[in-house]
Amino acid sequence: EDKVVQSPLSLVVHEGDTVTLNCSYEVTNFRSLLWYKQEKKAPTFLFMLTSSGIEKKSGRLSSILDKKELFSILNITATQTGDSAIYLCAVEKNTGNQFYFGTGTSLTVIP
Amino acid sequence: ETGVTQTPRHLVMGMTNKKSLKCEQHLGHNAMYWYKQSAKKPLELMFVYSLEERVENNSVPSRFSPECPNSSHLFLHLHTLQPEDSALYLCASSQVVTALYEQYFGPGTRLTVT
Repeated sequence: EDKVVQSPLSLVVHEGDTVTLNCSYEVTNFRSLLWYKQEKKAPTFLFMLTSSGIEKKSGRLSSILDKKELFSILNITATQTGDSAIYLCAVEKNTGNQFYFGTGTSLTVIP
Repeated sequence: ETGVTQTPRHLVMGMTNKKSLKCEQHLGHNAMYWYKQSAKKPLELMFVYSLEERVENNSVPSRFSPECPNSSHLFLHLHTLQPEDSALYLCASSQVVTALYEQYFGPGTRLTVT
């Protein structure tokens, strides 16, 4: 059965800390892995990863995929209160319109 | 107004009520989607429409009835819901039925069934 598992489920850190969010998957016919940020509204797209070992970076956020070990991490450095959100991971298959989301990691950054 | 909008943003309904959720996209897209996001559960795709034709229905109970009168509007008609149907219902759109990263999400309707 295809599935995506995110950890931890929730995380509380102080401003300035660095956090690492994990996403592991068991999905056949893998096409891509995506990260989203959801702040009480529409999920906003962060990254799409298709190849192992190639880091995607946007400001303080970065992500990398390991297709051998079937996981991805999302790193956020120098966290700010505005980073507080639910971070969703999704894996898309290359067979039709099929994808699987994880349950998300709820990140809270306190001043 | 731009992007994908959803109304109402919050809805409380009894199990015997009938209500409808509305989604409107101002992006000129031809595909629209309904998703359900329950607490502590993964986001689930419910329905997919392409050019007003339903192309996917992921085993959703018949108490949820979608309607797509044109490529800019999508409705989700609700009747005789159960408390476990309480969730955030997200609408999305894309140019065509395509990769997930090309979908634009609306802000969602928070539904509570009492």
